[in-house]
Amino acid sequence: AQRVTQPEKLLSVFKGAPVELKCNYSYSGSPELFWYVQYSRQRLQLLLRHISRESIKGFTADLNKGETSFHLKKPFAQEEDSAMYYCALRPLSGSARQLTFGSGTQLTVLP
Amino acid sequence: EAGVAQSPRYKIIEKRQSVAFWCNPISGHATLYWYQQILGQGPKLLIQFQNNGVVDDSQLPKDRFSAERLKGVDSTLKIQPAKLEDSAVYLCASTLGRIDYNEQFFGPGTRLTVL
Repeated sequence: AQRVTQPEKLLSVFKGAPVELKCNYSYSGSPELFWYVQYSRQRLQLLLRHISRESIKGFTADLNKGETSFHLKKPFAQEEDSAMYYCALRPLSGSARQLTFGSGTQLTVLP
Repeated sequence: EAGVAQSPRYKIIEKRQSVAFWCNPISGHATLYWYQQILGQGPKLLIQFQNNGVVDDSQLPKDRFSAERLKGVDSTLKIQPAKLEDSAVYLCASTLGRIDYNEQFFGPGTRLTVL
């Protein structure tokens, strides 16, 4: 079974400061990792996936298989980054390839 | 393109009553998902359809929950009878093709309160 842990329910940083949202996972096979974001009064949407190796809205995330982590980082936070962020995992193979979400981190970027 | 539509947006019922939620996925999206999101938790998959067939319903409480996607387009999720612990946001999502490679697009959700 897979499990995703986001240890911080709430995270506040000041505008312009670096931000890191932590995500750790537990899965015996090869995972695909995602970050989803939900802005206030908007729908849950995909932010980035590790396979794409993209930087979206200045955010990056690197899959560290040794530490089983997929932390989300941004060097200079903006007020519009305030949102709920969910880390999610999906097995790369097998019959049960459902998306498993963490419990989320509410990020607040202070002016 | 229009996004995933869900109705109603809010529903309040008493325990032991029945309730149904409706989802209309993005046009052409073959795969449809229903998630349950309890307050303070991430979404949890309840059931996944590929066209009108069930791919995964391993986490659906089948004694009280049911879902269908008869024509491979719209879907309904029903709870009968509801319990207090069913209070949650029910999210519908869809993807273009087969499960694996495509982004899931989420609807706005239906917030259910069971009193």
